[in-house]
Amino acid sequence: GAVVSQHPSRVICKSGTSVKIECRSLDFQATTMFWYRQFPKKSLMLMATSNEGSKATYEQGVEKDKFLINHASLTLSTLTVTSAHPEDSSFYICSARDVQGAGDQPQHFGDGTRLSIL
Amino acid sequence: AQTVTQSQPEMSVQEAETVTLSCTYDTSESDYYLFWYKQPPSRQMILVIRQEAYKQQNATENRFSVNFQKAAKSFSLKISDSQLGDAAMYFCAYSGRSGGGADGLTFGKGTHLIIQP
Repeated sequence: GAVVSQHPSRVICKSGTSVKIECRSLDFQATTMFWYRQFPKKSLMLMATSNEGSKATYEQGVEKDKFLINHASLTLSTLTVTSAHPEDSSFYICSARDVQGAGDQPQHFGDGTRLSIL
Repeated sequence: AQTVTQSQPEMSVQEAETVTLSCTYDTSESDYYLFWYKQPPSRQMILVIRQEAYKQQNATENRFSVNFQKAAKSFSLKISDSQLGDAAMYFCAYSGRSGGGADGLTFGKGTHLIIQP
């Protein structure tokens, strides 16, 4: 089955640090990856759509300078939380769609990254 | 913008019984996808079932089935013969097709399902 690997699974760092989260599709290629954020006991909120070889599309209210997204290859997208502060602490989850097959392929999710900013 | 509403923050069911989780949505699009995802305490997102709006037949996956009412914009999930492993958060989600399938998911707030042994 389609596997999406997300790394790291847990990050604890000091305020002001920049943190990079990687999302890799292991056995398929993905022209589009998605980044979501989930607060404790809350739903997932789409932050941005990551497009291979082009700029990411950010949802309204998401600071593009705070959350830098790079999708340099068909198997890797990265989310960098720049100058992280305690309010950036959250659970971040990526997903990816297989570029092969029908256009209605479901999204496959990574296992998420728990980010804690002290 | 699309919205997804889950009006049941928590549901409880006896093991082996049947439970139905509710979901309504709002959209101006005619073609789209609807999903139910399960999120156990590990927080992994597991696809339970998927429905394509242009298909009138309700999707089924083993013990899981949906009641898709397009005119009413309703998409409920029925879990038959509930098992302890079904305990989790369940999220209803919507995805448009206007982006050639490249649309992100809009999630409801979730329903916490408790299975009573």
